[in-house]
Formats: sequence, structure tokens, C-alpha cells
Amino acid sequence: GQNIDQPTEMTATEGAIVQINCTYQTSGFNGLFWYQQHAGEAPTFLSYNVLDGLEEKGRFSSFLSRSKGYSYLLLKELQMKDSASYLCAVKDSNYQLIWGAGTKLIIKP
Amino acid sequence: DGGITQSPKYLFRKEGQNVTLSCEQNLNHDAMYWYRQDPGQGLRLIYYSQIVNDFQKGDIAEGYSVSREKKESFPLTVTSAQKNPTAFYLCASSIGKGWETQYFGPGTRLLVL
Repeated sequence: GQNIDQPTEMTATEGAIVQINCTYQTSGFNGLFWYQQHAGEAPTFLSYNVLDGLEEKGRFSSFLSRSKGYSYLLLKELQMKDSASYLCAVKDSNYQLIWGAGTKLIIKP
Repeated sequence: DGGITQSPKYLFRKEGQNVTLSCEQNLNHDAMYWYRQDPGQGLRLIYYSQIVNDFQKGDIAEGYSVSREKKESFPLTVTSAQKNPTAFYLCASSIGKGWETQYFGPGTRLLVL
């Protein structure tokens, strides 16, 4: 079967750095997405990785290791507005998206 | 402003009733998707369409139906055959047909009376 694993919930302090991990076992790999979803709202696109390595975009960075079936999202200089769920999704061999259940990130002052 | 709209924001369904959720996009995207989101679970694909007048079943299509008569519109009907319809429904679109980055509408929360 296909599986995406993410921690259910994480807590971090405002101004700190947090790393949200995502491991996957899928039938093929054609890219990995990270989305942010505030409670009751739509997911919004954060990043896309298809090659190994780190992609940096402002305070957010995303890393991919295809050989390990592993990605992480790194959030720096945390702000209260970063409190949200972070969804990992993998594009499989059929180019369909397999979604993780999401990681709820709680930011404390 | 380009974007995806969904209506209504909240929808109540009575037993045995069919209800239709609207999804419209003005991004000129080829592909459109419907997902269901339940607490503690990943998004699950209901239906998708990569071209007008054509659509494909996703993982959980039973009890749902769609149409794609116009490029901009992809309505979802939740039929009475769907026994557990209470969920948050998300519509998305993407440019092209290769499952590129998907952009989501604000969602419709469906509740059963």
C-alpha cells in the first residue's frame, strides 16, 4: 500500500525554528508538495521538490531525499500566524497525489 | 482577481436528499479536482477532470457524481447513496494535465440534519 507519515502535532516557540518531517512509501515518485492549511480554510501551496536537496523560500525551506523516502519542511523565525496544519503530498507513478494526514503546528509566545 | 470559488460555505443535507456543491475557477486551468477531508485523515480524491466533458473516479467516488460541461465549472453532487457525507469538501484546479501544483478553493462544509 501507499503511505505518507507525518507527526500528528508539534509545538514550538515564537521566534524559534521547527522541522516537520514526512516519510513516504509510494508506488513511484514524481515529486513532493508541502501545503499550509489554517483551521477551516483551504490548503495553500508552499513548496515542491522533485530532485534531492534543499529548496529555500524565505523563512520556509523544504528538503528531499528520494533514496530515503524522506522530506522535511523547515520553518525559521516562527510567527504566531504560522500556527496551522502542514500537509505533505507525494505524486506517485500515476501522477496522482497521495496525501499525508498533516501535522498540526502550535506556536506558543 | 483570478481564483477558485466554492459555494455554499456551509450546507445541510437531510436524509435521502441529493445536494450539489459548486466550484468555479477563472484561472483558465485545464484540470479540476474534488477532495474530501475528514479529521485526522489526509485528503481523499473523489473525482478529477483533466478536460471538458471528461472525468475520472478517484479513490472514494461511490455516492458522488460530477459533471464538466464548461472548463470553468466542476460541480459535485453528493447523492443519498453516500451514507456518511459529513466532511469538509475541497475543490482544486491545476494548469495542464500532469497533476501540477493544485490551487484550492475555500471549501464547503457539509453537515447532515
